[in-house]
Amino acid sequence: EPEVTQTPSHQVTQMGQEVILRCVPISNHLYFYWYRQILGQKVEFLVSFYNNEISEKSEIFDDQFSVERPDGSNFTLKIRSTKLEDSAMYFCASTWEGSRNEQYFGPGTRLTVT
Amino acid sequence: LAKTTQPISMDSYEGQEVNITCSHNNIATNDYITWYQQFPSQGPRFIIQGYKTKVTNEVASLFIPADRKSSTLSLPRVSLSDTAVYYCLVGDNFNKFYFGSGTKLNVKP
Repeated sequence: EPEVTQTPSHQVTQMGQEVILRCVPISNHLYFYWYRQILGQKVEFLVSFYNNEISEKSEIFDDQFSVERPDGSNFTLKIRSTKLEDSAMYFCASTWEGSRNEQYFGPGTRLTVT
Repeated sequence: LAKTTQPISMDSYEGQEVNITCSHNNIATNDYITWYQQFPSQGPRFIIQGYKTKVTNEVASLFIPADRKSSTLSLPRVSLSDTAVYYCLVGDNFNKFYFGSGTKLNVKP
């Protein structure tokens, strides 16, 4: 069964550093998403991406965040200058045109900012 | 997006049927009801989706009354591995999902 993959599984970085989280969505999917989940809290929507542009973004997704689909397979989330409060699990998800409610989530990247 | 309300937690025993109800009084005509499951340190996993009446798949059933202001996720004969958080979401071809706090199901032996 095809699945969404994410790398790295765990990233430790110092405050102020840039990080790039990588995702490989399912190959025939067209809609891509990033979410985050701070430990013990609910899953929070960050951004959705379709046709090489952002469709929707939440208030969390400020100028420090950016997304890119640099080639036909990868989907990346960049945080330009990390803050302590960016420490969280980051999940990538993808889905297809037929049922956008049925999103496929990756295993997540645990980001720790020290 | 319609706001949803679910119980914070539920306990059950192995082999029992579990029903988790979600209220969505402000559901819109085009909205679908979708349920997700999340295990600790994993991404949410799609369980089932429905619009009205009853939907069943290999994992669960979803019951939706005629007024669609609530829905019930039914898990038949739960096992310890069904211990997870279950989320109810309501919307129309989501461009953004808003997860609530979900229902933490604890299955005991």
